[in-house]
Amino acid sequence: AQSVSQHNHHVILSEAASLELGCNYSYGGTVNLFWYVQYPGQHLQLLLKYFSGDPLVKGIKGFEAEFIKSKFSFNLRKPSVQWSDTAEYFCAVNAPMGGYQKVTFGTGTKLQVIP
Amino acid sequence: EAQVTQNPRYLITVTGKKLTVTCSQNMNHEYMSWYRQDPGLGLRQIYYSMNVEVTDKGDVPEGYKVSRKEKRNFPLILESPSPNQTSLYFCASSLGQGGHNEQFFGPGTRLTVL
Repeated sequence: AQSVSQHNHHVILSEAASLELGCNYSYGGTVNLFWYVQYPGQHLQLLLKYFSGDPLVKGIKGFEAEFIKSKFSFNLRKPSVQWSDTAEYFCAVNAPMGGYQKVTFGTGTKLQVIP
Repeated sequence: EAQVTQNPRYLITVTGKKLTVTCSQNMNHEYMSWYRQDPGLGLRQIYYSMNVEVTDKGDVPEGYKVSRKEKRNFPLILESPSPNQTSLYFCASSLGQGGHNEQFFGPGTRLTVL
C-alpha cells in the first residue's frame, strides 16, 4: 500500500527564516504529488502540485517544492517565512492502485512562525 | 463562486442518533470524497465517488454510509454514531479521478459524539 511520511510534526521558526518540510512517499510507479495548506480554522487549499516536467515546481505565496524521484521525496521550501505562513501543511500522493487513482495524505506538519 | 459547501459546520450529538452531513459542489466535478481529520493522523479517506451512483470505500469506511444520487451532492451518513467518530470531516471534489486533478475542499464539519 502506498504511504506518505512527513517526519516533521511541528516546526517553529522565526520570521525570515528559511523553511524546508520533508515529504517521502512509498510507491514505485508514476505519481502525482501535491502540497496543501490549512490555515487556522480554514479548509485545505492547494499550494502546488507536480505531475510531470520540471521537477522544481513553484506554487503560491513563494513556496516551491522539488521532486526527487530517486529519493521518493517531494520537499516543500520557502526561502523566507512570514507570520502569515503559520498553518498546517499536508503532502499528498495520487497514484494508480487497483485500477483507480488513490489519494493518500501525510499526517501533516504544523508550522508556527514567530514574529 | 466555485465552492464546496458542507452542512452543518458544527454538530454535537449523542451515541446512536442517526445523522447526515451534506456536501454540495457547484463545479460539475465528477469525483467527490469524504475525509476525516484527526490529530496526528492527518486526513484519512472514508468514501469516494467517481460519478453518480458510483461509490467505493476508502481507508476508514466502518460506521459510515454515502450516496451519490446527483452529481453535485454527496452526503455522509452515520447510522449509529459512536464517540470514536468524533472528528473533523471534510468533503472534497475534483474534476475527475485523473492523477493531476487537485481536490477542492469544503469548510469542514466538526462532529462531537457524546
